[in-house]
Amino acid sequence: AQKITQTQPGMFVQEKEAVTLDCTYDTSDPSYGLFWYKQPSSGEMIFLIYQGSYDQQNATEGRYSLNFQKARKSANLVISASQLGDSAMYFCAMREYSGGGADGLTFGKGTHLIIQP
Amino acid sequence: NAGVTQTPKFQVLKTGQSMTLQCAQDMNHEYMSWYRQDPGMGLRLIHYSVGAGITDQGEVPNGYNVSRSTTEDFPLRLLSAAPSQTSVYFCASKYTGLAGGTSNEQFFGPGTRLTVL
Repeated sequence: AQKITQTQPGMFVQEKEAVTLDCTYDTSDPSYGLFWYKQPSSGEMIFLIYQGSYDQQNATEGRYSLNFQKARKSANLVISASQLGDSAMYFCAMREYSGGGADGLTFGKGTHLIIQP
Repeated sequence: NAGVTQTPKFQVLKTGQSMTLQCAQDMNHEYMSWYRQDPGMGLRLIHYSVGAGITDQGEVPNGYNVSRSTTEDFPLRLLSAAPSQTSVYFCASKYTGLAGGTSNEQFFGPGTRLTVL
C-alpha cells in the first residue's frame, strides 16, 4: 500500500485564487512528520512547510498552510492568493520517527500545479 | 554556506560504465542520503548515512554503493551502469539533534541528471 497518496496529477488555477493540494498518508507509527516540497522546472527541491503528528495547531508559513486532519490521515497544502511563480510540482512526504532505520522521507508522486494569468 | 553541492549536474554513460556522483555539505550535518527521482514518481531513498563510517540501504539500493569517510562528503557509486539507472539523483542532508520540528528539514542538493545509454 502506498504510504503517501496525492490524487491530483495536475491542476490549473487562476492567478490570485487559493489552491488546495491533497495528500493522504498511511502509517501506524504514532510519531511522524509531514513535509511539503516544491520543485520548479529548474529541478531543485524547496522545503515549504512541516507538520508534526503531535502538533496541536496547523502549520503556517507565509502563504502556505497545512490543513492537518489526523483522524482522516490527510495533510493538504493550502496556498493562498496564488502567483504565477507558484507553478511547479508539489510533493508531499512523510517521515516516521519511531521505527528507527532509514529515517528517510517517503514521497508521494506529486501534483503539477499550473497558475494561469 | 554553500549548503549541499552535487557534481556533475549532467552525465551520460554507456551501459556497463562506472562512475561516482559527488555530494558535499558544509552544514556539519550528520545525516546524509541519496534519492533518485524517476518521471512521474516522487523521490525514492537509495542509501543513507547517520555519520562518518556508517551507511545503510534505503528502499532501492541495488546497483549502488556508498561510503562516508568524512562528515562533509557522501559519494554515490554506480558500479556497472544500466539503462534502468537513468534518473535524476538528489543528495540531501539534515541535522539530527533533538530539537525536532523543522530542524529535521532535509536540505537537498541541486540534483544530477544521469542518462545511461
